Amino acid sequence: DGGITQSPKYLFRKEGQNVTLSCEQNLNHDAMYWYRQDPGQGLRLIYYSQIVNDFQKGDIAEGYSVSREKKESFPLTVTSAQKNPTAFYLCASSAYGGEAFFGQGTRLTVV
Amino acid sequence: KQEVTQIPAALSVPEGENLVLNCSFTDSAIYNLQWFRQDPGKGLTSLLLIQSSQREQTSGRLNASLDKSSGRSTLYIAASQPGDSATYLCAVRHSGQNFVFGPGTRLSVLP
Repeated sequence: DGGITQSPKYLFRKEGQNVTLSCEQNLNHDAMYWYRQDPGQGLRLIYYSQIVNDFQKGDIAEGYSVSREKKESFPLTVTSAQKNPTAFYLCASSAYGGEAFFGQGTRLTVV
Repeated sequence: KQEVTQIPAALSVPEGENLVLNCSFTDSAIYNLQWFRQDPGKGLTSLLLIQSSQREQTSGRLNASLDKSSGRSTLYIAASQPGDSATYLCAVRHSGQNFVFGPGTRLSVLP
């Protein structure tokens, strides 16, 4: 089955802790994206990558980091510098100019 | 900077009605436009992708149109069903490959 897999579905973070959200795709897409969704708000772009070993900041990159060592994988780390990390995180991928596909999301909660 | 708006913000209709959701964007130099649906707590599901050279796309009971010059797209849903209840989002893409999302229209179809 082709698609995008995000894990875990739910994640809890303690104050001062870094956590990593996983995103894997088997669609052979070059581009991958991370979005943040807050209640009542639209999707905001955190980071995107159009090719392996290259990525760019989106609108709200502060407090987040990413890597793109493999075409299939684009993990997102939420660092302790992110002061308000509680949100729903969505990963997406697409071919160049093509249809975008999304994972099922990870809900991160600070405890 | 591209801005995307969606009207109405929420819509409640009885089952069987035909309905239209609207999406407007400020910069008409788009590469394509995509419509998604999002169920509560879930990721986004792609509905239709319209390339900038196209005027409309159809999939089952869904029809999406695009008027680039006026910065508008509409999603037409025929014979609505309770299972259509979800939030519908449009997203525009420029040649830089990033998407800009609208805030969504929350649709409720009452049995």
